[in-house]
Amino acid sequence: DAGVIQSPRHEVTEMGQEVTLRCKPISGHNSLFWYRQTMMRGLELLIYFNNNVPIDDSGMPEDRFSAKMPNASFSTLKIQPSEPRDSAVYFCASSSTGTGGADTQYFGPGTRLTVL
Amino acid sequence: SQKIEQNSEALNIQEGKTATLTCNYTNYSPAYLQWYRQDPGRGPVFLLLIRENEKEKRKERLKVTFDTTLKQSLFHITASQPADSATYLCALVAEYGNKLVFGAGTILRVKS
Repeated sequence: DAGVIQSPRHEVTEMGQEVTLRCKPISGHNSLFWYRQTMMRGLELLIYFNNNVPIDDSGMPEDRFSAKMPNASFSTLKIQPSEPRDSAVYFCASSSTGTGGADTQYFGPGTRLTVL
Repeated sequence: SQKIEQNSEALNIQEGKTATLTCNYTNYSPAYLQWYRQDPGRGPVFLLLIRENEKEKRKERLKVTFDTTLKQSLFHITASQPADSATYLCALVAEYGNKLVFGAGTILRVKS
C-alpha cells in the first residue's frame, strides 16, 4: 500500500491567493482527518470525515477554510483567501473505524505551506 | 480547561540508557491513549496504544504505562539507540472514538 498521499508537498503563495491541498487516503479506510502543525500550537485537528461525511469541523479556523470529500479516495482542503498566519504544515491522516473507537491514524507526509 | 502536557524541554540521553517520556492530561477521561513518533519533515507514525483498563503495554524495546488516577502516561524506550532520536507525541481520544487530541511532543536525542 502506498500509504496516505498528499500533494503538493510544498506550496509557496502570496497573501490573498487561493490554496488547495489534496489528500488520497489509504484504500479501505473510512475516516479522514486534516491537521495543521505549527511550532506554537502543535498538531491541531481541523476537520474529520467519516464515510465521506464531515463529522466535526470545530477546528476549522474560520470561513476562509473549507474541506470536501467527494468520494472515499479523495479529499481537499481549501484556503481562500490565504494569509501569512496560515503558514504551517498540513497533514492528512486516515483510519479504519472499527468498534470501540481505538483507531490508529496513518499520516501522510504533509504539505508545507508558506504564505508570503 | 483541558490540557495535555509533555516535557517541553528536549530529553538528551546516552545510548544504551532507558528514555522515559511523560504525558500528563487534565480534564479528560480518555478511554485510550496513543503514542506516535515524528521525524523531521515527516508525518507522525503510530507506535503503541493503551486502553484505560490496561496498566502497561509492551512492544519490543517500548513500554507504555497508563495511570488514570494520576492522569499520566509514561513512555519508555529501553536500550536506546541514536536511531530512536525523534519527537514523540502522546494523543488521547477526546469525547468520542475517532477524535484524537495531541500533546506538543517531546524531542528525544540519543547520543552515541
